[in-house]
Amino acid sequence: EIVLTQSPGSLSLSPGERATLSCRARQTLTSNYLAWYQQKPGQAPRLLIYDASSRATGIPDRFSGSGSGTDFTLTISRLEPEDFAVYYCQQYNNSPWTFGQGTKVEIK
Amino acid sequence: QVQLVQSGAEVKQPGASVKVSCKTSGYTFTSHYMHWVRQAPGHGLEWMGLINPRSGSTRESEKFQGRLSMTRDTSTRTVYMELFSLGSEDTAMYYCARSYGESYYGAFDVWGQGTMVTVSS
Repeated sequence: EIVLTQSPGSLSLSPGERATLSCRARQTLTSNYLAWYQQKPGQAPRLLIYDASSRATGIPDRFSGSGSGTDFTLTISRLEPEDFAVYYCQQYNNSPWTFGQGTKVEIK
Repeated sequence: QVQLVQSGAEVKQPGASVKVSCKTSGYTFTSHYMHWVRQAPGHGLEWMGLINPRSGSTRESEKFQGRLSMTRDTSTRTVYMELFSLGSEDTAMYYCARSYGESYYGAFDVWGQGTMVTVSS
């Protein structure tokens, strides 16, 4: 199975700052089938980015995804109060689908 | 709008089984694969398996093979996940999640609200 490693494990930032989250795959995602999700306490995950760089419906343009192959990045250009949450990457390039362990974005 | 509504919380004894339902609405039921994902308290997301609502064919994570059954009822637009031989390690929130687009390989664009399963004697 494809192991995804997210870094950092947690990120302490202030509203208005830029957040850069990393996701590294142990094998190449040949079709760049990588997604990013946001999860807040007590809620189901929400799809933010699919196919590495496409924003899901209704997702603000301060969220952007980039990368290819084994290295992927989620960038939040200016953090809003509602953006403090846990973020997961997921690959759906190969079965079994796998998730990273998550990055928690906390308020500084 | 597209909705996935799951059945309510369950408490089960070790060794029992649990069956969780996921009722869909707002889209063509047979056009999107459905996945099951679980999350143990304080932990990350774990993919369990998927079902093709059109054919009923399934694919399970090796971790759950022999212990997981996924089925669907096209007349009620509902998918089901049944997990057997429960242990304490199966205590988790269980989610159904729809695959984006009609491809086998898709991100999960719509999620159910989750069903908490607690395994305890």
